[in-house]
Amino acid sequence: GAVVSQHPSWVICKSGTSVKIECRSLDFQATTMFWYRQFPKQSLMLMATSNEGSKATYEQGVEKDKFLINHASLTLSTLTVTSAHPEDSSFYICSASTTGNTIYFGEGSWLTVV
Amino acid sequence: GENVEQHPSTLSVQEGDSAVIKCTYSDSASNYFPWYKQELGKGPQLIIDIRSNVGEKKDQRIAVTLNKTAKHFSLHITETQPEDSAVYFCAASMGNTNAGKSTFGDGTTLTVKP
Repeated sequence: GAVVSQHPSWVICKSGTSVKIECRSLDFQATTMFWYRQFPKQSLMLMATSNEGSKATYEQGVEKDKFLINHASLTLSTLTVTSAHPEDSSFYICSASTTGNTIYFGEGSWLTVV
Repeated sequence: GENVEQHPSTLSVQEGDSAVIKCTYSDSASNYFPWYKQELGKGPQLIIDIRSNVGEKKDQRIAVTLNKTAKHFSLHITETQPEDSAVYFCAASMGNTNAGKSTFGDGTTLTVKP
C-alpha cells in the first residue's frame, strides 16, 4: 500500500515554544491530508482537513491559531503547535487520501510538553 | 452527520479461533468502509476496505462483509494469531466526495491468547 511518513516520531518541548510535525506522502500525490489527535485508549479525533494550496478546514472546537496547518505541496503537510502547553501533549497522526479516496495513515508523532 | 458505532469494545479469543467485530453507520450516502489495525504507539494501518458496490471482500484470513440495507459492516478474522492482538477501528465515508473524510468507530481491543 501507499506510504505516509511522519516526522518526528516523538518530540519533547518546553511550555510556550512551538513545534512542527511533518507529514509526507512518499509514493503518491495527496491533494488532501488529514490531521488527528488521539488520546490514550480513545478513537481518532479529526482536527482539520488540509488541502494543497488552500487554507485548512478545522473541526469545531479546534483552535486554528494554535494548530497551524500548511499544505505547501502535493506530498507535504505540516502541523505546528504554537505556544505549546502540557495539555497539548498527545499523539498526533496524519493521513493522506489517494485517488479513489483510500486513506493511509502516518506512524504518528508523540508530543510531550514539559 | 455520519455516526459510526462499533462493537464490542473489547474482545478476547483463543489462538486459532475466529474474531468478529461489527460496525453500524447512519448515513446511507456513505459508500467506503475501511478497517484499520493500530498497534500500541503506532499509527493505524489499513488492513482491508470495502465499497458499497460489493457485499463481501476477503484477503487471506481477513474478510469484510457489508449490508447496505441494514447499514452495517463486519470484520472477520479467522485462525487468529497472537500478532493479531491490537486495536481495530472501522470507518465510514463518502469515498467519492469530500476527499475521504471519515467517521471512525470507537475501536475494539482484540486480545488473542496463545
